[in-house]
Amino acid sequence: GDSVTQMEGPVTLSEEAFLTINCTYTATGYPSLFWYVQYPGEGLQLLLKATKADDKGSNKGFEATYRKETTSFHLEKGSVQVSDSAVYFCALSVNRDDKIIFGKGTRLHILP
Amino acid sequence: NAGVTQTPKFQVLKTGQSMTLQCAQDMNHEYMSWYRQDPGMGLRLIHYSVGAGITDQGEVPNGYNVSRSTTEDFPLRLLSAAPSQTSVYFCASSYGRGGSYEQYFGPGTRLTVT
Repeated sequence: GDSVTQMEGPVTLSEEAFLTINCTYTATGYPSLFWYVQYPGEGLQLLLKATKADDKGSNKGFEATYRKETTSFHLEKGSVQVSDSAVYFCALSVNRDDKIIFGKGTRLHILP
Repeated sequence: NAGVTQTPKFQVLKTGQSMTLQCAQDMNHEYMSWYRQDPGMGLRLIHYSVGAGITDQGEVPNGYNVSRSTTEDFPLRLLSAAPSQTSVYFCASSYGRGGSYEQYFGPGTRLTVT
């Protein structure tokens, strides 16, 4: 079945470091791909998305490119801040009537 | 817009008690869903609704009931609470069920069953 696998955390980085959080997926069709972020004590919110191969989603300095050939959607940021400390979820949805499938989440800690 | 609201924010129940977690949205979204979030498990879908009067089971529906009498409200009922239901519960809504639709999440309800 459809699934999402993302790197386990926690990931701890110093401020201004480069961030990569890996995400790969398995899907029977052509999914839309998402990254959601959950700040401490809050619900999830959409960070970025891509709906077709080679699309790049971007928001708040974060980027992810939909790579069909490697079935990946890795999240990157060039210079992280303490305020980026959160849990990040990769997710996919194949069709309009299908549910959204979330990865297990990656906790990110940024040290000042 | 208030978005998606959930009440209560925190709740402690004794085993066997029942309660209702409230969820409301003011965005006129058709699709609403309930998830539970447990450490190391990510988000698991409990129940969902594609419109008023229509509900269906998700991945982990046992021990929970839902109803959708209006577009705005989607309460989750715990029939007889068990310690295994200790979790953080999130309600979400969107224009559509899947595809490229963004899910809007409430702030969550942290439930402890003793």
